[in-house]
Amino acid sequence: ELKVEQNPLFLSMQEGKNYTIYCNYSTTSDRLYWYRQDPGKSLESLFVLLSNGAVKQEGRLMASLDTKARLSTLHITAAVHDLSATYFCAVPNTGNQFYFGTGTSLTVIP
Amino acid sequence: EPEVTQTPSHQVTQMGQEVILRCVPISNHLYFYWYRQILGQKVEFLVSFYNNEISEKSEIFDDQFSVERPDGSNFTLKIRSTKLEDSAMYFCASGGVTYEKLFFGSGTQLSVL
Repeated sequence: ELKVEQNPLFLSMQEGKNYTIYCNYSTTSDRLYWYRQDPGKSLESLFVLLSNGAVKQEGRLMASLDTKARLSTLHITAAVHDLSATYFCAVPNTGNQFYFGTGTSLTVIP
Repeated sequence: EPEVTQTPSHQVTQMGQEVILRCVPISNHLYFYWYRQILGQKVEFLVSFYNNEISEKSEIFDDQFSVERPDGSNFTLKIRSTKLEDSAMYFCASGGVTYEKLFFGSGTQLSVL
């Protein structure tokens, strides 16, 4: 079974600081997805990474994919309170079944 | 933007009862999924559905679970005899083509008492 691990599981950071969330996965995949989940809410798609070396940016978030290392990063620049949420990476298998990471709960402190 | 809709948003049931969770996927999508999330844990795959049949299912999706697409728009998840450990948020998702992201519904919070 494809395993997807994220670290850290919990992240508390001050506003204005930078940080990176890591997502490792166990088998070959050339696609990776990042989702955001607010408490009690559904999953909101953030980024779709479809090839090795893909980099996507949206506001203060930037995601990258290294398929050879089986690693994706989600970089947060100059964090603001609105970014507080849980972030999940997801990797599909050949049947397009998404395997989700353990999630990173981010709290941005004013 | 088109969205996946789920009903009900909350369902409370007694252990041993049957429940049906309903979903209306995005209209031109072809791939349908059910996932669940136990409180505070990661999102777990249950089942995928394509071309009117199950394409893949996880170990969680045992004989107590079934899915159906009774008409051209609805996609349902039935749990025949609920257990306490079935309490979770159940998400329906749909996708249009293989490489596209999945669109998730807002979820049904199932509480089994």
